[in-house]
Amino acid sequence: DQQVKQNSPSLSVQEGRISILNCDYTNSMFDYFLWYKKYPAEGPTFLISISSIKDKNEDGRFTVFLNKSAKHLSLHIVPSQPGDSAVYFCAAKARYGGSQGNLIFGKGTKLSVKP
Amino acid sequence: DSGVTQTPKHLITATGQRVTLRCSPRSGDLSVYWYQQSLDQGLQFLIQYYNGEERAKGNILERFSAQQFPDLHSELNLSSLELGDSALYFCASSVGGRATDTQYFGPGTRLTVL
Repeated sequence: DQQVKQNSPSLSVQEGRISILNCDYTNSMFDYFLWYKKYPAEGPTFLISISSIKDKNEDGRFTVFLNKSAKHLSLHIVPSQPGDSAVYFCAAKARYGGSQGNLIFGKGTKLSVKP
Repeated sequence: DSGVTQTPKHLITATGQRVTLRCSPRSGDLSVYWYQQSLDQGLQFLIQYYNGEERAKGNILERFSAQQFPDLHSELNLSSLELGDSALYFCASSVGGRATDTQYFGPGTRLTVL
């Protein structure tokens, strides 16, 4: 049973346009959400996070939106650059549950930004 | 470069064998986490150690075990290997064991079981 779902395995975007990556979760205990970026032959790199007390967090070109009622979050990249081409993983954790600190990952979305 | 190192980068072995994967956390980090990424799967949390003690367990098989040594490096031992154990194994570290501590990932060890 997948608790974190990224339903789009891939996304292709033109350079300069907006990239929107989506993520859904089922566990209402999750209260902290993260996005990681992964290049081939490297480990995942932390990108941005959001706590459940917020609905938006921004860091430069990256913004994460959280809709708790829909159990949905999205990552917006504006403007998209060819160097953003990578696999993006959504992850969630329940900070105060029995598995405190355990990250639950989605399967990832491969973003391709075309020049 | 995250500062987390993993050895070896690649490992090819046969079914039934036993292997050891090694991880050195970032300088100063006390927590180490192990993840498995199989084909078409997201990263699956296996186990966490904090300052030498097991802190949390995820979907880790009984054939797998881990430990964290006094110098804080960690080893993941995989025994009685099966074809399905072929995967990327990532180690991550964080400064403490708090749920909000950012986890920094190593480059991974690719295990192939033939």
